[in-house]
Amino acid sequence: GEKVEQHESTLSVREGDSAVINCTYTDTASSYFPWYKQEAGKSLHFVIDIRSNVDRKQSQRLIVLLDKKAKRFSLHITATQPEDSAIYFCAASMSNNRIFFGDGTQLVVKP
Amino acid sequence: GPKVLQIPSHQIIDMGQMVTLNCDPVSNHLYFYWYKQILGQQMEFLVNFYNGKVMEKSKLFKDQFSVERPDGSYFTLKIQPTALEDSAVYFCASRTGTGASAETLYFGSGTRLTVL
Repeated sequence: GEKVEQHESTLSVREGDSAVINCTYTDTASSYFPWYKQEAGKSLHFVIDIRSNVDRKQSQRLIVLLDKKAKRFSLHITATQPEDSAIYFCAASMSNNRIFFGDGTQLVVKP
Repeated sequence: GPKVLQIPSHQIIDMGQMVTLNCDPVSNHLYFYWYKQILGQQMEFLVNFYNGKVMEKSKLFKDQFSVERPDGSYFTLKIQPTALEDSAVYFCASRTGTGASAETLYFGSGTRLTVL
């Protein structure tokens, strides 16, 4: 089955800097790549996604990049703010199938 | 936004007892999931459920686990009997399965299960 690896278990940045979280996947059939954010003690909520028919998507301060050849995708958070501090999960799935999560990256944004 | 409700938020039980975790998915969603989160990090897929049936399950979904959603009521995860290693936070999630956001999962706030 699919295996999603999230390369940074923790990431610390200064407020205003950019943060980049990198993930890789194994199954070339995966076509949908969402990102979820989990704040301390809370549930996961969806932040942004990308499908395999594009290689870049932006929503305000969030940019996701997808490199299908390398089976790699990344989340870029620009102009970070303290409220961006959370655990970020990348995920991959084939359409209408289970969604496989990475192990999460704890992002700390220092004021 | 759409909300998935989970009841209870915490449950403490003795090993060997039965426990039922309840989930009220988003009303027009068709696909339902249970995930197990360990140590506040890893999100492990347990099972997904559609049209009254289990579609896929992982090796973590042991024989002691079962799911059902009788007549559009709660989507439940039952563990009988429980074991110490079942202690975790269990998240329910749902998605529509249709339209532009077909694949977006909406998660409940989780049930923290402690097996003593």
